[in-house]
Amino acid sequence: AAGVIQSPRHLIKEKRETATLKCYPIPRHDTVYWYQQGPGQDPQFLISFYEKMQSDKGSIPDRFSAQQFSDYHSELNMSSLELGDSALYFCASSLTLGYTFGSGTRLTVV
Amino acid sequence: AQKITQTQPGMFVQEKEAVTLDCTYDTSDPSYGLFWYKQPSSGEMIFLIYQGFYDQQNATEGRYSLNFQKARKSANLVISASQLGDSAMYFCAMRRNSGGSNYKLTFGKGTLLTVNP
Repeated sequence: AAGVIQSPRHLIKEKRETATLKCYPIPRHDTVYWYQQGPGQDPQFLISFYEKMQSDKGSIPDRFSAQQFSDYHSELNMSSLELGDSALYFCASSLTLGYTFGSGTRLTVV
Repeated sequence: AQKITQTQPGMFVQEKEAVTLDCTYDTSDPSYGLFWYKQPSSGEMIFLIYQGFYDQQNATEGRYSLNFQKARKSANLVISASQLGDSAMYFCAMRRNSGGSNYKLTFGKGTLLTVNP
């Protein structure tokens, strides 16, 4: 069965650079969620999209933006990267009440 | 904001024994549901079990079961017959199941389980 695909799996960026993380949800899932998990931390909700519209917003810095495209894939854009942005970024998709998480993108800012 | 509490930063269990991981929540809203996830060192988030607050019976999935006590607002995960592969971080998470499309998860801090041979 198709799962949630995140790319890239690993990313190394320097401070003040930009990064784009991509998420491809399970086909026909209409909702995408982004979470950020710092080292040794619990995942924190960033933002979600339902039918290509932003549906909820959490603790997402102003330097970050995200969108969901017509094919339902989503991208998280991160600018002016800081050392503290180093984390595992999860995408999850759902249709009704179930969740499927991707394997995450591990971002390291040096 | 709703809060999930996992009071055990780390737990140890002998292989083949049972272990209980604690989780409490702070809402009385019955429209919520509670999830348990396993996160091995590789990082992926693996769904284990779900308990709806409306559900009359405690959820079970193979070796995983929930000790759900509404009055105490607790939903402890019981893993029976522990295996070495159960060593991982375990997260309890809560989500509202009604009210639109905002079904985001709120996670606890997690419990690191180590299974000893």
